[in-house]
Amino acid sequence: AQSVAQPEDQVNVAEGNPLTVKCTYSVSGNPYLFWYVQYPNRGLQFLLKYITGDNLVKGSYGFEAEFNKSQTSFHLKKPSALVSDSALYFCAVRDGGYNKLIFGAGTRLAVHP
Amino acid sequence: SQTIHQWPATLVQPVGSPLSLECTVEGTSNPNLYWYRQAAGRGLQLLFYSVGIGQISSEVPQNLSASRPQDRQFILSSKKLLLSDSGFYLCATRGVSSGNTIYFGEGSWLTVV
Repeated sequence: AQSVAQPEDQVNVAEGNPLTVKCTYSVSGNPYLFWYVQYPNRGLQFLLKYITGDNLVKGSYGFEAEFNKSQTSFHLKKPSALVSDSALYFCAVRDGGYNKLIFGAGTRLAVHP
Repeated sequence: SQTIHQWPATLVQPVGSPLSLECTVEGTSNPNLYWYRQAAGRGLQLLFYSVGIGQISSEVPQNLSASRPQDRQFILSSKKLLLSDSGFYLCATRGVSSGNTIYFGEGSWLTVV
């Protein structure tokens, strides 16, 4: 069965510092991986995805993610964090056909001024 | 681009009452449609998905049902709500033009009292 794990419940970063939100996955076959962000009381917003190709994927709002097949990881990164990046971040993997997604438990990112 | 409308945005219902949450999609045709539930502000669980009118697949046994009476309309229902049905319900879609990306609506908050 497909699964993703987000090992950190919360990540705290100072504004202007680089940030990393971790995700590891377990899939059979080639993984389709996604990152979403959720602001309070809002739906999920798509940030980026890895399907195939370059291991470094660039997405919205200056975020990027690095696919690492040997470590089965897909960590989300940003070179310089903003206070407005504070939100709940979800990693997800496609599960079988019909593009069903399995989500990690989420990581709360807190960026402090 | 596709737009997802969900209503009502917020709902407070007594235990044992019926439920109807509606989702409509614009800007795409023959989309895959999904209902997710988010409990306690963290993990998301896929409840139902639909690949066409009248075609509903249930992912977990529960007190809820779904229907798709029109191509771009997806309804989540219950005949008698339980306290455990409380949560944040998100409708999502994968349109023909969106590749493998799933997009989410703004969600409906349900509180069962």
